[in-house]
Amino acid sequence: NAGVTQTPKFQVLKTGQSMTLQCAQDMNHEYMSWYRQDPGMGLRLIHYSVGAGITDQGEVPNGYNVSRSTTEDFPLRLLSAAPSQTSVYFCASSYSQAVRAKNIQYFGAGTRLSVL
Amino acid sequence: TQLLEQSPQFLSIQEGENLTVYCNSSSVFSSLQWYRQEPGEGPVLLVTVVTGGEVKKLKRLTFQFGDARKDSSLHITAAQPGDTGLYLCAVPFSWAGSYQLTFGKGTKLSVIP
Repeated sequence: NAGVTQTPKFQVLKTGQSMTLQCAQDMNHEYMSWYRQDPGMGLRLIHYSVGAGITDQGEVPNGYNVSRSTTEDFPLRLLSAAPSQTSVYFCASSYSQAVRAKNIQYFGAGTRLSVL
Repeated sequence: TQLLEQSPQFLSIQEGENLTVYCNSSSVFSSLQWYRQEPGEGPVLLVTVVTGGEVKKLKRLTFQFGDARKDSSLHITAAQPGDTGLYLCAVPFSWAGSYQLTFGKGTKLSVIP
């Protein structure tokens, strides 16, 4: 199994540009989420989805859009990139959103984004 | 206000030493998870603890959930360079009618050969 695959691994954007960060999982997980990780801030939840066609906002959703047309894919769109969006972005998936011993959340390797 | 406080923030030790890192909160949680994140990678789940006072062992790593389910510790015996990484604790947090995972800021561990 590939697990959670994120592309690209690195990206440099200019202020105002738009782009989509791709996330795909092959474990048939219902729950998927996007986090950003900044120095000294830990991981913060951007958006999440509990199944195809269902998305919701997390702690820091402004400037980002998501969609979930299939169980496998959960892309994150930056509408108009800003320097404040320079960060490392992680996609994660799990069988459900419940935090239980048997429900493992798997993370992708991350996308490192710089906005100039 | 940070829900979870992890300490120390940074830790640099020699190979073979023992260490303990902590995850503390004033809130009670139904469960707590520990993750390890190696440089350039995503976090990987190490353990989930669900019962107050619970102790789980994973090779040289020992995890303990506090009796009151407000805190947790991770003890590493005879640290090795492969233990180097960022150790994160995480708990379920009520968000918009559901529970989401919220993370501490982590302890960055460096084990020097």
